[in-house]
Amino acid sequence: GAVVSQHPSWVICKSGTSVKIECRSLDFQATTMFWYRQFPKQSLMLMATSNEGSKATYEQGVEKDKFLINHASLTLSTLTVTSAHPEDSSFYICSATGQMNTEAFFGQGTRLTVV
Amino acid sequence: GENVEQHPSTLSVQEGDSAVIKCTYSDSASNYFPWYKQELGKRPQLIIDIRSNVGEKKDQRIAVTLNKTAKHFSLHITETQPEDSAVYFCAANRSFQKLVFGTGTRLLVSP
Repeated sequence: GAVVSQHPSWVICKSGTSVKIECRSLDFQATTMFWYRQFPKQSLMLMATSNEGSKATYEQGVEKDKFLINHASLTLSTLTVTSAHPEDSSFYICSATGQMNTEAFFGQGTRLTVV
Repeated sequence: GENVEQHPSTLSVQEGDSAVIKCTYSDSASNYFPWYKQELGKRPQLIIDIRSNVGEKKDQRIAVTLNKTAKHFSLHITETQPEDSAVYFCAANRSFQKLVFGTGTRLLVSP
């Protein structure tokens, strides 16, 4: 299957700072990328959908000014958690799909801890 | 929008037994139903999926059944092995892209 790489795998940051997470499709052009958040022992909750070259579509209850998503190219989408707080600590996972794909491929996830 | 319920939340079986996980969905327009296996701290991995034009699909020890009338689908794992221990998520939607996940089932297979 296609490969999606996320970076970093884990990050610890101080409250009030911003953190950027990258999601890259390594061997295909990802026309659409999805960002999920997963709290411990819970399910994956879709945060937003991003299409290359256009603004992301956020799910209800997700603050677009806090979770900035950029999908500037067909192989890279970034999620920036701005002014992070301890309650933002979670496992963030992206998935990507392209025009020729029949499934969505997940990155390995980023564990964010805000202290 | 779609809403997916999954049960049981935990399932313990002995090695060699079968395991069944069930999901129900709300949107009758949903036509794609994947199952993912997630090990602790790792990415979800697609293990099997089914589309609405098929009632059953099998891949070695894993099978999925779909009842569109009742809006439920199930994952069946036969001859379970300790390495099957993980959290399993069902999902549903109108496409394979924007998935709505179930709440997850923690499967523990004891030797």
